[in-house]
Amino acid sequence: EAGVVQSPRYKIIEKKQPVAFWCNPISGHNTLYWYLQNLGQGPELLIRYENEEAVDDSQLPKDRFSAERLKGVDSTLKIQPAELGDSAVYLCASSLGRDGRLDEQYFGPGTRLTVT
Amino acid sequence: KQEVTQIPAALSVPEGENLVLNCSFTDSAIYNLQWFRQDPGKGLTSLLLIQSSQREQTSGRLNASLDKSSGRSTLYIAASQPGDSATYLCAVRAGYSTLTFGKGTMLLVSP
Repeated sequence: EAGVVQSPRYKIIEKKQPVAFWCNPISGHNTLYWYLQNLGQGPELLIRYENEEAVDDSQLPKDRFSAERLKGVDSTLKIQPAELGDSAVYLCASSLGRDGRLDEQYFGPGTRLTVT
Repeated sequence: KQEVTQIPAALSVPEGENLVLNCSFTDSAIYNLQWFRQDPGKGLTSLLLIQSSQREQTSGRLNASLDKSSGRSTLYIAASQPGDSATYLCAVRAGYSTLTFGKGTMLLVSP
């Protein structure tokens, strides 16, 4: 069974440029998460989707970040414009969605973003 | 607000040693606790998931315990190997689907 797929794995951009990350969750997983991980820190949730609906986006900086999950499968996270402080690893995770209190989350390899 | 603390921040041991990683959390009203492993430049791999009603979980050389009332969990690694070198992250689920992570313990096992 394929795991969570993310692309690109690495991205280097100049500040003020736009950037997009793509995630394909495990087949059959209804819940999809985007996390931000700064160096030396644990991941922090940016947004959670239940199927197509963003049910928790309270930590997403909406002035520059946006996300979508069309058809309830793949998801894209976008930053426009990027700032130096956005340099981090962006992780995507998915879970079955049967019970949000108990479901195990499975993580992708992440996209390492460097903003110069 | 839930806070998760992991001690020590870094640990270096010779191969073959048994070791314990510690995790503490401030709000004991959790659904479960999960231990992850993260290799450099890689995503997170789930090691063990302990539901709030359980006291411990075992997988191979790994054993995780949970004392919800005191807000503590430990990850015990038996007979450590160089391949165990990685960062180990503890995460608790207090809200619906929300995981709160610690900063991790960076483990180095030398041959």
